[in-house]
Amino acid sequence: EVQLVESGGGLVQSGGSLKLSCAASGFTLRSYAMSWVRRAPGKGLEWVSAITGSGDRRDYADTVKGRFTISRDTSKNTLYLQMNSLRVEDTAIYYCAKDVPPFDDWGRGTLVTVSP
Amino acid sequence: DIQMTQSPSTLPASVGDRVTITCRASQSIGSWLAWYQHKPGKAPNVLIYKSSTLQTGVSSRFRGSGSGTEFSLTISSLQPDDFATYYCQQYNSYPYTFGQGTKLELK
Repeated sequence: EVQLVESGGGLVQSGGSLKLSCAASGFTLRSYAMSWVRRAPGKGLEWVSAITGSGDRRDYADTVKGRFTISRDTSKNTLYLQMNSLRVEDTAIYYCAKDVPPFDDWGRGTLVTVSP
Repeated sequence: DIQMTQSPSTLPASVGDRVTITCRASQSIGSWLAWYQHKPGKAPNVLIYKSSTLQTGVSSRFRGSGSGTEFSLTISSLQPDDFATYYCQQYNSYPYTFGQGTKLELK
């Protein structure tokens, strides 16, 4: 059974950094692309970033490009999102999702709150 | 980037109604479109992919159609569990943009 468990969210000041983790089980990250998707309060879903199964390609939404970095540790079967220069508008629940769209496996999300 | 425009943003409806949500892409995406249902506190759930293919286990009351730039999701005979927010997502090219969502609410 596929399981995705996000962690690492919390409260951080504007300009600060945070690193999210997504522990995967039931499959190997090396075989699948992975994405991060977020939902800000009162707003819709926003695709944030993706990494290919081989790890050789990473893509980002324009809103996070240059500030966020997606990575993974295949020995730990864990996906990461390093978030730097955080802004108030980055406040959201962050989900990891397996494979390319359509995303049929998601984690339950981790809340990131950026204060002014 | 491909922009996805969903309408309406809010849709009041009653149990038993048939409703339709539309999604327009800023450029052609072929049939590379998915529809998701999202409820508070839960992960999104894919309903339809490749514009009209029903995800395994999803009720046949959900029907997707369209290609190119115009798409729609129709839900027939609304059930109480259907009241949620619905999103379209294009996956023709990065970034994999979502529509802004349609909140289906009880009239």
